[in-house]
Amino acid sequence: QVQLQESGPGLVKPSETLSLTCTVSGGSISSYYWSWIRQSPGKGLEWIGYIYYSGTTNYNPSLKSRVTISVDTSKNQFSLKLSSVTAADTAVYYCARGITMVRGVIRYYYYMDVWGKGTTVTVS
Amino acid sequence: EIVLTQSPGTLSLSPGERATLSCRASQSVSSNYLAWYQQKPGQAPRLLIYGASSRATGIPDRFSGSGSGTDFTLTISRLEPEDFAVYYCQQYGSSPWTFGQGTKVEIK
Repeated sequence: QVQLQESGPGLVKPSETLSLTCTVSGGSISSYYWSWIRQSPGKGLEWIGYIYYSGTTNYNPSLKSRVTISVDTSKNQFSLKLSSVTAADTAVYYCARGITMVRGVIRYYYYMDVWGKGTTVTVS
Repeated sequence: EIVLTQSPGTLSLSPGERATLSCRASQSVSSNYLAWYQQKPGQAPRLLIYGASSRATGIPDRFSGSGSGTDFTLTISRLEPEDFAVYYCQQYGSSPWTFGQGTKVEIK
């Protein structure tokens, strides 16, 4: 059974870059897409973006200028970088697996079916 | 961006009762690509329903989803003690994906 585990610093200073990694175990990183979502008391659940294993990305416009998601298929990992952080970026960060399929010539990205346990990041 | 509004904010019910949760979208959700998640304190969200009405693997049949367009409903036919939690709807029909603010189902 596939499991996801987030890792990275729990404390980041304002204006610095938040960096997190999600390690996928019990399954391959291929054939799925991989998302980052965060949850804070003030804004609830917020989708940050996703990456397909081939490298295709899609980011939330509200964060796009500061976000980079990358994938390392050799390590079965994907990562999040969020630059120029402020206190508003303090949240629990989750990684998640998503279902994707090709219909005709178009790839569609569907629901997220497996989530990591989450990691708390404080900006201070 | 599609805004999802969930109601009520809190639902106070007893075990064995029926729970009806609403999720309304600010515009039509493409192909009814709407999911429901359950979240318990200190845990990650857990997928219950996708495609508005399909149960995820291992989800008991007391959970059902319905609706289309802009109005969706999650129904729990008979509440079990483990069902008291927060429930979120999420649309994946158009980017950016968005979540509702949640409905808390609490023990009355």
